[in-house]
Amino acid sequence: DTEVTQTPKHLVMGMTNKKSLKCEQHMGHRAMYWYKQKAKKPPELMFVYSYEKLSINESVPSRFSPECPNSSLLNLHLHALQPEDSALYLCASSLGPNTDTQYFGPGTRLTVL
Amino acid sequence: QQQVKQSPQSLIVQKGGISIINCAYENTAFDYFPWYQQFPGKGPALLIAIRPDVSEKKEGRFTISFNKSAKQFSLHIMDSQPGDSATYFCAAGGAGNNRKLIWGLGTSLAVNP
Repeated sequence: DTEVTQTPKHLVMGMTNKKSLKCEQHMGHRAMYWYKQKAKKPPELMFVYSYEKLSINESVPSRFSPECPNSSLLNLHLHALQPEDSALYLCASSLGPNTDTQYFGPGTRLTVL
Repeated sequence: QQQVKQSPQSLIVQKGGISIINCAYENTAFDYFPWYQQFPGKGPALLIAIRPDVSEKKEGRFTISFNKSAKQFSLHIMDSQPGDSATYFCAAGGAGNNRKLIWGLGTSLAVNP
């Protein structure tokens, strides 16, 4: 089973709201990733967790706050977002931090009003 | 500076034809070259990947050709079908300690019935 699940599928939020995106995998993968994808662009790496510890933060604004409660779960907490943050947010996982093959979830379509 | 250059930006092919998408990279430290397929509103799905120790890899109708000296690799889709209509991204990985993927800008493929 190479499935990464993400909830919710769609999210609309105002600039003052606080919301969270959730990602889950049960493949025993120990590296998990958050990407942001704008229309007609490639995915843009935001964060990497390796063995439940944050290993890469690609200079993402603090209004995005990642969390890895356990090896199967990855959250992205959102607060005070801007309309330009509207995008498809993708979660991915790989066997380990030095394993290249990344499996992507279906994404959460986020709209910030 | 874009490290992985992908062409063409868009491609129209007749059903049954061959679709060819090309990528070129600059960093000789890359050692992993995947192709991802993405349908609208979905996450990227790994299609096929190659490492520099082989010049070609085939999986069904999909073939990667790799030219290490030219620092180029390409995706060939044989007997293209309307269901292949999607955006295709090449990527390169393995350079640096974090082995993150560097993505091409994508090719929008349309296969006419």
